[in-house]
Amino acid sequence: GNSVTQMEGPVTLSEEAFLTINCTYTATGYPSLFWYVQYPGEGLQLLLKATKADDKGSNKGFEATYRKETTSFHLEKGSVQVSDSAVYFCALMNTGKLIFGQGTTLQVKP
Amino acid sequence: DTGVSQDPRHKITKRGQNVTFRCDPISEHNRLYWYRQTLGQGPEFLTYFQNEAQLEKSRLLSDRFSAERPKGSFSTLEIQRTEQGDSAMYLCASSARDSIVTQYFGPGTRLTVL
Repeated sequence: GNSVTQMEGPVTLSEEAFLTINCTYTATGYPSLFWYVQYPGEGLQLLLKATKADDKGSNKGFEATYRKETTSFHLEKGSVQVSDSAVYFCALMNTGKLIFGQGTTLQVKP
Repeated sequence: DTGVSQDPRHKITKRGQNVTFRCDPISEHNRLYWYRQTLGQGPEFLTYFQNEAQLEKSRLLSDRFSAERPKGSFSTLEIQRTEQGDSAMYLCASSARDSIVTQYFGPGTRLTVL
């Protein structure tokens, strides 16, 4: 079946630190991969996506590369800010619907 | 473009009551999705529509749940005889015909069953 596994949180970092949130997936076929972000009190927002192997999605300084050989889509940012504090969800799309990981809470301290 | 809207934002009900939620997708988006999110978990797929046709339903959607999209625009999700286990955030999303990969989410309806 299809599933997504994310590293457990919370992840606590100081401002300007490097961020990695690991995400691996299991899927049949060739899914599209996504990172969604949920800021406190707000709805889910698409952060970035990649639709085929070796594609790199990027937005707001965040990046993730679709690695078919390791079935991974790790989220990275070189220098986090306090405003990046949120819950991050990795997801895959297969047959039209999204399948999400359990989410990783990021707390960035000044 | 006003985004996906959901109504109500919060609903508190007693066990055994029926509740109905509404979702208005982004204008001219032909696909509409419902998800459920419980505390500390990622959203789980419930069902989706292409225009007015309901194309897929999750096994999570018991017989007490029904969703409609009668004119291919807004959608309603009804839960009959609510149970405490139905307490969750119900999320709606929509996607455009030429970009079905990108789903835009509404703010959600938080249901609390007492």
